[in-house]
Amino acid sequence: AQKVTQAQTEISVVEKEDVTLDCVYETRDTTYYLFWYKQPPSGELVFLIRRNSFDEQNEISGRYSWNFQKSTSSFNFTITASQVVDSAVYFCALSEALGTGRRALTFGSGTRLQVQP
Amino acid sequence: DSGVTQTPKHLITATGQRVTLRCSPRSGDLSVYWYQQSLDQGLQFLIQYYNGEERAKGNILERFSAQQFPDLHSELNLSSLELGDSALYFCASSVYPQETQYFGPGTRLLVL
Repeated sequence: AQKVTQAQTEISVVEKEDVTLDCVYETRDTTYYLFWYKQPPSGELVFLIRRNSFDEQNEISGRYSWNFQKSTSSFNFTITASQVVDSAVYFCALSEALGTGRRALTFGSGTRLQVQP
Repeated sequence: DSGVTQTPKHLITATGQRVTLRCSPRSGDLSVYWYQQSLDQGLQFLIQYYNGEERAKGNILERFSAQQFPDLHSELNLSSLELGDSALYFCASSVYPQETQYFGPGTRLLVL
């Protein structure tokens, strides 16, 4: 079975600090997809990024960057110069292939990020 | 706004009752997924539909059922409700199963 581990339950930082959220995954699939979603206090799940298993390029989007390392089965997420609006629960997820045309996301337990002003 | 809509936003009901949650996927998306988020279980996959057909089942209780209609909207039916069914229920959709899933705002169910 596939598994996603987010060991950091809660992180608290002061505004403008950089913060890295860790994600480690387990899968037997050779082709898989990794995701990060953000859940702000309002409750919705907001898609942030998708990474294919065959594309190990790191990605930067504004203050957000992602480091995918297949060798360590990790897909870490860094927020540079954090802001109060970044306060949310962040979920790492793995797309599990259950068969042809059959897919499900396996989520980690989430990391609650609190950014203090 | 992801383009996925869910109704109702909140639902309060009593044990033993039956409720129906509704989801409209993004325009053009053929695959619909249901997830349950609870404090003790986290986010768990329930069921997937693709173009009207059930494709995958996760940890969905026998008291729960779902369907996807010809217009691609989906309904999740929860019956004989128990206190432990109180949770946030999300619907997600994607164009094809391997593509990114976009989530609706969720339906918060409280069973009293």
